[in-house]
Amino acid sequence: QVQLQQWGAGLLKPSETLSLTCAVYGGSFSGYSWSWVRQPPGKGLEWIGEINQSGSTNYNPSLKSGVTMSVDTSKNQFSLSLSSVTAADTAVYYCARGTVTTWGFFYFQYMDVWGQGTTVTVSS
Amino acid sequence: SSELTQDPAVSVALGQTVRITCQGDSLGTYYASWYQQKPGQAPVLVIHGLNKRPSGIPDRFSGSTSGNTASLTITGAQAEDEADYYCSSRDSSGIHLVIFGGGTKLTVL
Repeated sequence: QVQLQQWGAGLLKPSETLSLTCAVYGGSFSGYSWSWVRQPPGKGLEWIGEINQSGSTNYNPSLKSGVTMSVDTSKNQFSLSLSSVTAADTAVYYCARGTVTTWGFFYFQYMDVWGQGTTVTVSS
Repeated sequence: SSELTQDPAVSVALGQTVRITCQGDSLGTYYASWYQQKPGQAPVLVIHGLNKRPSGIPDRFSGSTSGNTASLTITGAQAEDEADYYCSSRDSSGIHLVIFGGGTKLTVL
């Protein structure tokens, strides 16, 4: 049974850098995309971006620049860095495993395994 | 970029059937996946692909798609189904980024 375990600093000051890491246990790291999703207090889910085992990334263009994702396949871990945080970056951050498959002209995509979430608060 | 639109809130009487919908242009290419989220918990995948349920998800949950509208149906809603539900897809233009609907708060009366 695949599990994602995430960790990182939970309290930051404005302009600091958010750093989170997610470790994959009990399953293959290859063949999937690895995403970060956040949820501001009382609001919905917001996709931040994804990375695959090769280190290829896609980021949400609606987020400000400063998002960086990296992968360490030797440890089955991937990480998120968000620089120059502001109060607007206060949220619960989740890591998740993603899959995309094709069926004729259609695609299926889903995130079937999620980390436990990390609450990040940005406050002076 | 594409967007997914959900009703903010839906209610259902205990034991009755409820449908939660998600509209978006991308759903004509990327089938929706559906997530249940209870307060203080991480989202849980309940439906993906052609009405597929992950292990452990009750068979009262089902999914369907017609054109640009995806639906999550709960047949015989239970008290424990009260939660927020999110649909997700990918933007079918450009580099196919992940998108989420705004979420639907389901109340079981």
